[in-house]
Amino acid sequence: GAVVSQHPSRVICKSGTSVKIECRSLDFQATTMFWYRQFPKKSLMLMATSNEGSKATYEQGVEKDKFLINHASLTLSTLTVTSAHPEDSSFYICSAKTPGQEGTEAFFGQGTRLTVV
Amino acid sequence: GQNIDQPTEMTATEGAIVQINCTYQTSGFNGLFWYQQHAGEAPTFLSYNVLDGLEEKGRFSSFLSRSKGYSYLLLKELQMKDSASYLCAPVDSNYQLIWGAGTKLIIKP
Repeated sequence: GAVVSQHPSRVICKSGTSVKIECRSLDFQATTMFWYRQFPKKSLMLMATSNEGSKATYEQGVEKDKFLINHASLTLSTLTVTSAHPEDSSFYICSAKTPGQEGTEAFFGQGTRLTVV
Repeated sequence: GQNIDQPTEMTATEGAIVQINCTYQTSGFNGLFWYQQHAGEAPTFLSYNVLDGLEEKGRFSSFLSRSKGYSYLLLKELQMKDSASYLCAPVDSNYQLIWGAGTKLIIKP
């Protein structure tokens, strides 16, 4: 199946700093990527839908100025957590779909464990 | 609203069979996914059902009844490595996956 690579897998940062997470589709062009957040023992929570060449669509309650999403190319979307606080510590996962196939499986990146100290 | 209902936790014995049920209510329906997620890892794809009936894939099978808003994942010949969370994710009219909290499956020797 298609491969989505997410980097870094783990990151520890200080409060007030910014952290960038990359999500790459390695063998297909992803016009749409999704960013999720997951708390321990909880479901995946969709944060935003990233569209290549246009602004991301954020879910209700997600601060777009805090979670900056850039989808500059068909193979790369980035999520930047700005001015990170300890409550931003979580597991962040990206996924992508192969274009033109609505309803097909979403391929997930490996996830990023963010710890803000 | 949209809602997914799965048992929070199940326990089964190595070598046995377990069925994980999922009922859902979504705005529109475009199929249903089952994913496996080990602790600390991203979900991995198990199955996708869009028509009623049973889809068999090795030790894992998935069933869908659209009229009842019901699906189940059947795991046979359980192995210790099957200990994980299993996520039922129906697809709504906007082709968005709707995620439940998942079912944590514990396999005992």
